[in-house]
Amino acid sequence: GESVGLHLPTLSVQEGDNSIINCAYSNSASDYFIWYKQESGKGPQFIIDIRSNMDKRQGQRVTVLLNKTVKHLSLQIAATQPGDSAVYFCAENIYNDYKLSFGAGTTVTVRA
Amino acid sequence: NAGVMQNPRHLVRRRGQEARLRCSPMKGHSHVYWYRQLPEEGLKFMVYLQKENIIDESGMPKERFSAEFPKEGPSILRIQQVVRGDSAAYFCASSYLDRGGEQYFGPGTRLTVT
Repeated sequence: GESVGLHLPTLSVQEGDNSIINCAYSNSASDYFIWYKQESGKGPQFIIDIRSNMDKRQGQRVTVLLNKTVKHLSLQIAATQPGDSAVYFCAENIYNDYKLSFGAGTTVTVRA
Repeated sequence: NAGVMQNPRHLVRRRGQEARLRCSPMKGHSHVYWYRQLPEEGLKFMVYLQKENIIDESGMPKERFSAEFPKEGPSILRIQQVVRGDSAAYFCASSYLDRGGEQYFGPGTRLTVT
């Protein structure tokens, strides 16, 4: 399953499939990006980050891709599991600055 | 090592009352940030504090809202004379260094104004 920009706030994906969540950021000066997962009733939890000198970074079952030309960020989740059901936010930041700017979020629902 | 703690988790106030939200940062963290999340939206930065100092309050409404982080005790976000539009989830984050990527978030306080 795949979400496009911030205009498709929900993503339904079959368990075991890969998920792609997209995010368009706005500030050309941003050089650090973070993906957060927020489960119902909880605070945002760090998933993975990437600096602007990279275009790809991999973690455990997750990959973040950064396209600075079009100011686009994506999060790929491999073999999506029921526990991945949550709201996913991208956040942009100027590295070494403290202020995070969050996108509106994408709600991911995993179908059994 | 306990994470960021916030209380209460849920708070109901009538219009015109005061709301006090508390945040205890992670042990060793001296930087505290408050964010507000309206329904169906992302988090919006409100204020950044260090012990006894407000560093940046550019995201906080000028009226009715105040924040403090005293030398001893938790950080407090205070909302006076609450209105329905203040209903939101308020998240506190803390960090050891003043960097965005180092922030750990608490579970939030959900404020409902009736």
